[in-house]
Amino acid sequence: AQTVTQSQPEMSVQEAETVTLSCTYDTSESDYYLFWYKQPPSRQMILVIRQEAYKQQNATENRFSVNFQKAAKSFSLKISDSQLGDAAMYFCAYRTYGQNFVFGPGTRLSVLP
Amino acid sequence: NAGVMQNPRHLVRRRGQEARLRCSPMKGHSHVYWYRQLPEEGLKFMVYLQKENIIDESGMPKERFSAEFPKEGPSILRIQQVVRGDSAAYFCASSPPDTGSTEAFFGQGTRLTVV
Repeated sequence: AQTVTQSQPEMSVQEAETVTLSCTYDTSESDYYLFWYKQPPSRQMILVIRQEAYKQQNATENRFSVNFQKAAKSFSLKISDSQLGDAAMYFCAYRTYGQNFVFGPGTRLSVLP
Repeated sequence: NAGVMQNPRHLVRRRGQEARLRCSPMKGHSHVYWYRQLPEEGLKFMVYLQKENIIDESGMPKERFSAEFPKEGPSILRIQQVVRGDSAAYFCASSPPDTGSTEAFFGQGTRLTVV
């Protein structure tokens, strides 16, 4: 069974600084998709960024980028120029074709003014 | 295009009562997923449905829990004879016909409190 691990229960970053959230996963599949979701206090789950495993190029969305290391089964999220609104729970998720989404336990990110 | 709609947002039930949680997926989405989130924890998969079919229910407790996604109408997660341990936030997500790469779009959740 696929599993997703986030080894950092909590992280903090100074406003305007950069922070990296870690995610590793376990799968025997070669073709799959990885996601980072953000859950602010409102509880709404918001997609931050998505990566297809067959793409070597790391995905980027504005201040958010990933470091995807397929051989190491690692998928970290980098947030640049952190803003107060980035404070939230961040969940890493995995999906392969025809299957449900598997989520990690989450990392709570605090942004310090 | 309205997002994924869940209702009610908050539901209070006494022990032994039934809870019915509703989820209307986004227009054009035929796949629905239900997740449970306990306080300060991640999302635990419960069930994955397509219209009129259960694709994967490996995360559903064997007793008291059931889910359906009829041809017409919303998906329903039903919890019979609720107990205090069922108190949690229940999230529904939907996605288009399966391409694998598409993200799941989430509703705002239903917070169930069992008293």
